[in-house]
Amino acid sequence: SAVISQKPSRDICQRGTSLTIQCQVDSQVTMMFWYRQQPGQSLTLIATANQGSEATYESGFVIDKFPISRPNLTFSTLTVSNMSPEDSSIYLCSVGSHRGSEGYTFGSGTRLTVV
Amino acid sequence: SQQGEEDPQALSIQEGENATMNCSYKTSINNLQWYRQNSGRGLVHLILIRSNEREKHSGRLRVTLDTSKKSSSLLITASRAADTASYFCATKGNQGGKLIFGQGTELSVKP
Repeated sequence: SAVISQKPSRDICQRGTSLTIQCQVDSQVTMMFWYRQQPGQSLTLIATANQGSEATYESGFVIDKFPISRPNLTFSTLTVSNMSPEDSSIYLCSVGSHRGSEGYTFGSGTRLTVV
Repeated sequence: SQQGEEDPQALSIQEGENATMNCSYKTSINNLQWYRQNSGRGLVHLILIRSNEREKHSGRLRVTLDTSKKSSSLLITASRAADTASYFCATKGNQGGKLIFGQGTELSVKP
């Protein structure tokens, strides 16, 4: 299965600023997924990032707030823009498996605190 | 959006006991997967069951799937303190590759 390097692992940011989270995969993958996990909650899908096209956002998430880049098949970034304390969450990237019998691989997560 | 509900939300058992977690979902699926998360860290894939399968085993894990009831269960046998974690089910639909997660069960295994 793929290995994902996600950075940063954590950050404390001032409200009104932006943070860019990076995910590097050790193999080429078609789709990458970005999730948000609010404190004590489950994972909510933010968007699906495809190489060469705009990301597909889920209901409740917009590109202006969470712009995503996917410059190649091994890398993606998620930016959390104009942050407020409500954006304090863990953000995770994920990739699927080429084998239908295997699960997905997740990055180790970015724990974001907005003050 | 969340796919469905998991129950219980929290489960506390003694070491050596079995733990059963249930998951319900709303739409048709290609497969259902179970994941484990320790203390807000990254998720670890445990087991995957396809929509045409009814039961699957992996070590101390047993998962069942009932597509007519749109539900699944995860059984952890002979639990250990190290099994303490949050457990999530996630469904993959027949179109697209995204996973939709359930609410999760927080399992505490006391030594």
